[in-house]
Amino acid sequence: NAGVMQNPRHLVRRRGQEARLRCSPMKGHSHVYWYRQLPEEGLKFMVYLQKENIIDESGMPKERFSAEFPKEGPSILRIQQVVRGDSAAYFCASSPPAGTSGTNEQFFGPGTRLTVL
Amino acid sequence: DQQVKQNSPSLSVQEGRISILNCDYTNSMFDYFLWYKKYPAEGPTFLISISSIKDKNEDGRFTVFLNKSAKHLSLHIVPSQPGDSAVYFCAATTRGGATNKLIFGTGTLLAVQP
Repeated sequence: NAGVMQNPRHLVRRRGQEARLRCSPMKGHSHVYWYRQLPEEGLKFMVYLQKENIIDESGMPKERFSAEFPKEGPSILRIQQVVRGDSAAYFCASSPPAGTSGTNEQFFGPGTRLTVL
Repeated sequence: DQQVKQNSPSLSVQEGRISILNCDYTNSMFDYFLWYKKYPAEGPTFLISISSIKDKNEDGRFTVFLNKSAKHLSLHIVPSQPGDSAVYFCAATTRGGATNKLIFGTGTLLAVQP
């Protein structure tokens, strides 16, 4: 049973380019979360999605950032016109549908390390 | 507004001794707490959790204690092993709401000396 998969693991972009980060949740998981870890900081919540729905995007920057979790395929975190301050590790986590697990455990992927030159 | 705080950036312990990692929170709505372990260049790995209706949860070498009145929890690792060296994150959430987002502390780097 494969865990949460993220790709690419490393992504280098120049200022002004677009970054697309992909996340495939664990099998049977329909909830996806994106977190960002800036250097020397903890993980900060960005967005929570279920299939075809954004449930909570309270942690997303208002501009340039968007996320989707289509009916088919992986979840995508998209950053337009990247700036140096976007350089960070972006982690995706997944969890099973509510009520199917006794815990609120989220399973994390290995992360995508974005470097903006 | 840091709702979950880990005030010790690092901790060094001798192999075989107890490691105690601390975490404080400010939001009284949190009712579920988790500890994650993270190695460099990897994602966080779930270790142990505790519901606010309990004050202790134990799993092998790991025990989490919760003091709700003090809004404080701690992770005890005994005996500590060199492979336990990693960054440990405390996280909190409110179950039953519209979102299950985790609020993380800034982490404590544990170094277990052989």
